[in-house]
Amino acid sequence: EVQLVESGGGLVQPGRSLKLSCVASGFTFNNYWMTWIRQAPGKGLEWVASITNTGGSTYYPDSVKGRFTISRDNAKSTLYLQMNSLRSEDTATYYCTRGPTVASFDYWGQGVMVTVSS
Amino acid sequence: EIVLTQSPTTMAASPGEKVTITCRASSSVSYMYWYQQKSGASPKPWIYETSKLASGVPDRFSGSGSGTSYSFTISSMETEDAATYYCHQWSSTPLTFGSGTKLEIK
Repeated sequence: EVQLVESGGGLVQPGRSLKLSCVASGFTFNNYWMTWIRQAPGKGLEWVASITNTGGSTYYPDSVKGRFTISRDNAKSTLYLQMNSLRSEDTATYYCTRGPTVASFDYWGQGVMVTVSS
Repeated sequence: EIVLTQSPTTMAASPGEKVTITCRASSSVSYMYWYQQKSGASPKPWIYETSKLASGVPDRFSGSGSGTSYSFTISSMETEDAATYYCHQWSSTPLTFGSGTKLEIK
């Protein structure tokens, strides 16, 4: 059974940093691209970052480029999201997802809440 | 950036009623993807590559379209289908999602 379990969320002040983790199991982690997607309270879905299966390439939207860094440790089947210079608009539930694949994001974690507030 | 415009934003349907949601892209995309999200839960893949049903999705659901115009249909609404549905494209970066259609049971 595929499982994605996020951790590391919490309350953080504007301008500070936070690092999310996602432990994957039930599939061969190093065969898949991985992606973080977020959802602000009561809002829609927003792509945050993607990484290739080897970790050799990463992709970001302009809203987080230069502030967020996606990485992975294939030996530990773990995906990370380092978030720096956090802003109030980064407040959201962050989902770890497998993909994109042919079926796009075919597995999602339960999500981890990040609140940026003073 | 490809903007995905979903309509309607909210709707209510009676059991047995046919439901159609549209998703228009600001530029042509190769495929459209759809996700279902129920309150308090993570989104679930529902339709991929425009018309293929994800594992476990009932066949009363269907998807169609091409280019900039796509649709998502429930042939006969059931109470368990009440949820928010999002369209999504990854033909080009940034990957984008529609703003969602909240479907309620009448």
